[in-house]
Amino acid sequence: DGGITQSPKYLFRKEGQNVTLSCEQNLNHDAMYWYRQDPGQGLRLIYYSQIVNDFQKGDIAEGYSVSREKKESFPLTVTSAQKNPTAFYLCASASSGSTNEQFFGPGTRLTVL
Amino acid sequence: GENVEQHPSTLSVQEGDSAVIKCTYSDSASNYFPWYKQELGKGPQLIIDIRSNVGEKKDQRIAVTLNKTAKHFSLHITETQPEDSAVYFCAASPWGFKTIFGAGTRLFVKA
Repeated sequence: DGGITQSPKYLFRKEGQNVTLSCEQNLNHDAMYWYRQDPGQGLRLIYYSQIVNDFQKGDIAEGYSVSREKKESFPLTVTSAQKNPTAFYLCASASSGSTNEQFFGPGTRLTVL
Repeated sequence: GENVEQHPSTLSVQEGDSAVIKCTYSDSASNYFPWYKQELGKGPQLIIDIRSNVGEKKDQRIAVTLNKTAKHFSLHITETQPEDSAVYFCAASPWGFKTIFGAGTRLFVKA
């Protein structure tokens, strides 16, 4: 089955701890994205990567970090510098072809206690 | 900067009625306009998309229209069913890898 997976589905952390969210895709897509979704709001772009070993900040990158060492993987670290990390995090991927369709993972709900 | 506005934020219709969601975008370079449906606790799924060289596209009960001059595009769902209840997002893509999303419309279809 081709697709994009995120783990875990639910994550609880204590305030002040760093936490890493996993995102893996087997669609052979070049581009990968991380979005944050708060209740009743749209998707805000955290980071995106167009190619391996390269990534750019999105609109709300402060307090987050990413890496793109492999084409299939784009993990997101939520650091202690993120002031309000409790949210639903969505990972997506897209091909570099003419269509810009993004394929989303099932999301990770992070709750910081 | 780039912006996509979406209205209404909440829409309630009776089963069998039509639902219309409207979006406007700011970047005239946008050339790809997807619509996503998000069910509770899941990631968004593409339901229909349209490119800037097309004015209208239809897929069964779903249609999308695009007015590039006015920078408007709309989603039309006919003969709504309870399973259409979800959050719908419009989006505009001004260049290759970046997509700007609207704030979403929560659609309720009452049986």
